[in-house]
Amino acid sequence: AQKVTQAQTEISVVEKEDVTLDCVYETRDTTYYLFWYKQPPSGELVFLIRRNSFDEQNEISGRYSWNFQKSTSSFNFTITASQVVDSAVYFCALSGENDYKLSFGAGTTVTVRA
Amino acid sequence: DSGVTQTPKHLITATGQRVTLRCSPRSGDLSVYWYQQSLDQGLQFLIQYYNGEERAKGNILERFSAQQFPDLHSELNLSSLELGDSALYFCASSVEAGNNSPLHFGNGTRLTVT
Repeated sequence: AQKVTQAQTEISVVEKEDVTLDCVYETRDTTYYLFWYKQPPSGELVFLIRRNSFDEQNEISGRYSWNFQKSTSSFNFTITASQVVDSAVYFCALSGENDYKLSFGAGTTVTVRA
Repeated sequence: DSGVTQTPKHLITATGQRVTLRCSPRSGDLSVYWYQQSLDQGLQFLIQYYNGEERAKGNILERFSAQQFPDLHSELNLSSLELGDSALYFCASSVEAGNNSPLHFGNGTRLTVT
């Protein structure tokens, strides 16, 4: 069974601060896929990134960066120089090799104050 | 815009009633997933279809059923509704049935059972 833990329930920062969201996962699969999704106040789920278990390279996309560490089963997400528009709930998710569904963490609510 | 269309956006109905939620996947996507998001359960996978056939089943109640039609749109039918069925129901689509492509979510249908 797949399990995703997002220990941080809520994070509040002031604009321009960096914020890091933790994600720890459990799986017995050798091949698996990790995802981050953003859910802004409007409610839709927006895909941010997918990473497979064989690709441990960190990734940067604009102000977003992801740190995948297989040794600690973590896939953390950092928002650099946060903006008010980054206020949302962020979900980490995992799917296994033969598992077509996504298992989501409980989500972390990020509030960026002006 | 993810390209996944869900209708209606909001639905208010009474206990014991039956409703149908509709989803049109992104153009070219063959796989459709249904998820339920509630405050107490978080995001839960319900069911997946691929090219008209059921591919995977999650925590879907017997009172709920779904299907995918030849034109690839999907419907989720919820019957004998209970107060606890109030939730945000998401449809997602992907090109393939497995993990090689990320899920793209619609804006959801918010169901309120009174």
